[in-house]
Amino acid sequence: GAGVSQSPRYKVAKRGQDVALRCDPISGHVSLFWYQQALGQGPEFLTYFQNEAQLDKSGLPSDRFFAERPEGSVSTLKIQRTQQEDSAVYLCASSFLREGPQHFGDGTRLSIL
Amino acid sequence: DAKTTQPPSMDCAEGRAANLPCNHSTISGNEYVYWYRQIHSQGPQYIIHGLKNNETNEMASLIITEDRKSSTLILPHATLRDTAVYYCIVRVGNAGNNRKLIWGLGTSLAVNP
Repeated sequence: GAGVSQSPRYKVAKRGQDVALRCDPISGHVSLFWYQQALGQGPEFLTYFQNEAQLDKSGLPSDRFFAERPEGSVSTLKIQRTQQEDSAVYLCASSFLREGPQHFGDGTRLSIL
Repeated sequence: DAKTTQPPSMDCAEGRAANLPCNHSTISGNEYVYWYRQIHSQGPQYIIHGLKNNETNEMASLIITEDRKSSTLILPHATLRDTAVYYCIVRVGNAGNNRKLIWGLGTSLAVNP
């Protein structure tokens, strides 16, 4: 389909490993968002891109978290030296208009052992 | 923190209308009311949004009170597939660089046969 695609769907890593999560937004969508969702909670904002510019990274929990969108389309969320508290579902969303509704992927479920 | 309050859970009989309330007593004049839902193991799905006037689309209707301090999402003929967590969110329309969504815990709607 033409929706937001995230990969991998599931990721298991050992504590201390680095992980990279990919988001393919809807073609032509200018805005891209990353959210983190813990079990039983609503999503929490991590960071926002407008095209290739990262305009807001206030939600990134530590400097171990890094996101990029070098060509203004695909985005990667990288987590270095993973810890158990990083276990969560990581959601990506995109929107066409700057103030338009956000359309979400089904997320990557990250489990840190 | 989320600017909305919702009941934690609701039940609805299949085929009947589901009316989901949301309080947003501190809403500002330029803030929209957005509704999303999240079915188990999927990403959030946009439903509808509005500013002042009532809105209707193919999924639902949104009724906003005249003072804008509360709203109701109406699913006119609920089906089992409407079982999900429903989130009510207020968001600044002309958001500049601040377009993130701030989520609460939502309402878990169970549609029963």
